[in-house]
Amino acid sequence: DAGVIQSPRHEVTEMGQEVTLRCKPISGHDYLFWYRQTMMRGLELLIYFNNNVPIDDSGMPEDRFSAKMPNASFSTLKIQPSEPRDSAVYFCASSLLAGGLDTQYFGPGTRLTVL
Amino acid sequence: DQQVKQNSPSLSVQEGRISILNCDYTNSMFDYFLWYKKYPAEGPTFLISISSIKDKNEDGRFTVFLNKSAKHLSLHIVPSQPGDSAVYFCAARSGKLIFGQGTTLQVKP
Repeated sequence: DAGVIQSPRHEVTEMGQEVTLRCKPISGHDYLFWYRQTMMRGLELLIYFNNNVPIDDSGMPEDRFSAKMPNASFSTLKIQPSEPRDSAVYFCASSLLAGGLDTQYFGPGTRLTVL
Repeated sequence: DQQVKQNSPSLSVQEGRISILNCDYTNSMFDYFLWYKKYPAEGPTFLISISSIKDKNEDGRFTVFLNKSAKHLSLHIVPSQPGDSAVYFCAARSGKLIFGQGTTLQVKP
């Protein structure tokens, strides 16, 4: 398997623009997670899905952030409008089971820079 | 508020010596703890884990210790190798995983 695939790997945009990050989980994994990595807060869980249904979105920072999972092989994280403080590395991860019961496999991340 | 804290942003160790990475947590309901390793431009990868009912788990050069009374977790790497240079995240589970800020380990040849 190719592992978790994320695109784009790098994104540079201007404040106010819409940003869409994409993720393809490992085939057969029932759980999909979106994380954000910053120096101050480390890895923060933004939202996770089970069988395409959002289970916990309490980590989504603001209404500007939204995530969807239209099918088992694709998810998006959208920021509209983007702000400079959104600059971070965004990771997608998938697993067979939630939490630590099963290993979460991370994608390579999308480095977002908002100017 | 940070429920999982890694208070040392960085650690430098000589090759062959022991590396000790520390992690503190506040939630006594965490039932499972993990360490992930991250190289630049890559996603984190699972390294080792421990259940809250144990106090030690060993896997080759890597050992994780859990002190529940102190709410403290540590990862020991013996002997350290240059290839161990990476960012290490500890994580704790309470339904979902909560990660710390990470510690950058540099192992010098």
